[in-house]
Amino acid sequence: AQKITQTQPGMFVQEKEAVTLDCTYDTSDQSYGLFWYKQPSSGEMIFLIYQGSYDEQNATEGRYSLNFQKARKSANLVISASQLGDSAMYFCAIGRGGSARQLTFGSGTQLTVLP
Amino acid sequence: DTEVTQTPKHLVMGMTNKKSLKCEQHMGHRAMYWYKQKAKKPPELMFVYSYEKLSINESVPSRFSPECPNSSLLNLHLHALQPEDSALYLCASSQDFAGPTGELFFGEGSRLTVL
Repeated sequence: AQKITQTQPGMFVQEKEAVTLDCTYDTSDQSYGLFWYKQPSSGEMIFLIYQGSYDEQNATEGRYSLNFQKARKSANLVISASQLGDSAMYFCAIGRGGSARQLTFGSGTQLTVLP
Repeated sequence: DTEVTQTPKHLVMGMTNKKSLKCEQHMGHRAMYWYKQKAKKPPELMFVYSYEKLSINESVPSRFSPECPNSSLLNLHLHALQPEDSALYLCASSQDFAGPTGELFFGEGSRLTVL
């Protein structure tokens, strides 16, 4: 079984500042993928970034980067230069074999960006 | 705008009603998914179709019946639901079944209320 833990139910950040959203995982698989999704109030889940378990370099996508520490089983999301539009729920998820076909999501972190 | 379209956006039904949720994508994706999301909870996988065949059923009660008439359409037929089935139902698609990236494209969901 796989498990994702997000320990921050809510986070606040000032506009233009950086913020780190925590995610730890538990799996017995050797091959897995870690994903971050954003869910605004509209309901749509938006894919942000992906890290494969065998990837040696941390993933980056624009203002998003994933701080992957395999030994500690953590995959924290870093958002640089926060914008008001970043206010949303953020979910970390794990997929077996590195794919997204059976994702297990964490409980989420509600991020609020303050002007 | 999302490229996965879900209708209706809102649905209210009684426990004896039969209704359907519809999902459509025109991105040429061959895998389609149904997720259920209760309020303030993460999405939970219900069904996965790959190349129009049911590939994964996460032990969902039979009152939920999925159907994939063609590669662009995914339906979820609802019958004899319970009030606890009230939730946001999210449809998603991906290019293939076991792709290594997190490119699940989600719709905005259908918000279902069972009275």
